[in-house]
Formats: sequence, structure tokens, C-alpha cells
Amino acid sequence: GAGVSQSPSNKVTEKGKDVELRCDPISGHTALYWYRQSLGQGLEFLIYFQGNSAPDKSGLPSDRFSAERTGGSVSTLTIQRTQQEDSAVYLCASSRNGWNEQFFGPGTRLTVL
Amino acid sequence: AQSVTQLDSHVSVSEGTPVLLRCNYSSSYSPSLFWYVQHPNKGLQLLLKYTSAATLVKGINGFEAEFKKSETSFHLTKPSAHMSDAAEYFCVVSGGTSYDKVIFGPGTSLSVIP
Repeated sequence: GAGVSQSPSNKVTEKGKDVELRCDPISGHTALYWYRQSLGQGLEFLIYFQGNSAPDKSGLPSDRFSAERTGGSVSTLTIQRTQQEDSAVYLCASSRNGWNEQFFGPGTRLTVL
Repeated sequence: AQSVTQLDSHVSVSEGTPVLLRCNYSSSYSPSLFWYVQHPNKGLQLLLKYTSAATLVKGINGFEAEFKKSETSFHLTKPSAHMSDAAEYFCVVSGGTSYDKVIFGPGTSLSVIP
């Protein structure tokens, strides 16, 4: 079946602009994670959605970052007033429940000029 | 709450020699443990997982890991390194309930010398 998909695959934007990154999880997966990976670095947790529970936003680096998940499926990560330090690969992952293996999307490479 | 430590940020081995990537964890519950691999400019791929069945877990590409509760460890091993094993490896712990999010370790970069 289809895996996790993310769009766009690449995004180049100017400093100060807003961007939206999209994640389509595997159908039926209740858990969805967003991570950020800077060049040569590990995964930085951003936000976690699990079913109808309130999301765990503890990893969002500033109030310029927000995310929503509509209907328990598609998720959008929004970054407002982008800064150069926001440049990274943004990864989305879903899992059948909160604790099982995660399936990762290919990521969105964001470049802020 | 749970946490995970990968003791080596970088490991270098010669081709054909054994690989050992160390991982220690802490968890309030019976944890689920995973190893993921990320090859350069590639996505993350699950290598293997432990979910309270056999303590010795076999994964893809000849890797295996042993869950040792007394040592709170889940080290990744392979008897003989191949050039294609050069990648970043992440140890991951989950607390076992949907209220505990999955925690990634900082990663270990494996280099394989010809």
C-alpha cells in the first residue's frame, strides 16, 4: 500500500515568508510525528498527534511554528515569518499507534534565503 | 518518561570486522525499542524492533540487537561490516503506551574503511 507522503519535496522561500508543509500518513495510522533534521544532525522532535488527544507540542522551537491534523489524517506544519535557521529537512512519520514502529515520509527540504 | 543514549557519536570499522553500536535507555514501562538507519541523502528505514518477545532480535542486512533489561541496553551488532553499512544509526525507545511519544537517540555515524 501507499506509504507516508510529503509535499512539496523541496521548498525555497525568502526570509520572512510563511510556508506550509503537508504530510499524508498511512491510512489508519492514529499517530503522526513531525521532526526536523538539520544538515548532519539527528532528528529534532517537533510535534506529536495521537488520535483525538491534544497534540504534544513540546518540541516546537518557537511560536512561529504550528501544526494541525484534520480529521485524524492529513497534517500541515506551518512556519510563519521564516528565518534562515529554519532551513532543514522536515520529516513526517506515522505509526499504527503511539508506540509502534514509525514509517517515515521522504521529507521536505526547506531552504530559507 | 523515557530517554535514550547512544554512547558513541561516531564509530569507524574496517570492512569485514564486527560492528558494535551502543544504546542505553530508560523507561518507566516495558519499552519497545527500535533501530533505524539513514543512508546519506536517503530516508529513515527500520532495521529491527524489540517488543517484549525474544530478547535477541534479528533485523535486515545481517544486523541484530539484544535487549538486556538488567543493563538497560539494546546494542546493535553485525558480525562483518560491509561498505554499504556506512550510514547514520538511530536507537529509539517507546514507553509502550500511546501517551508516551517515541524518543530518538542522537545517532551514531558508522564509517566503514576499505
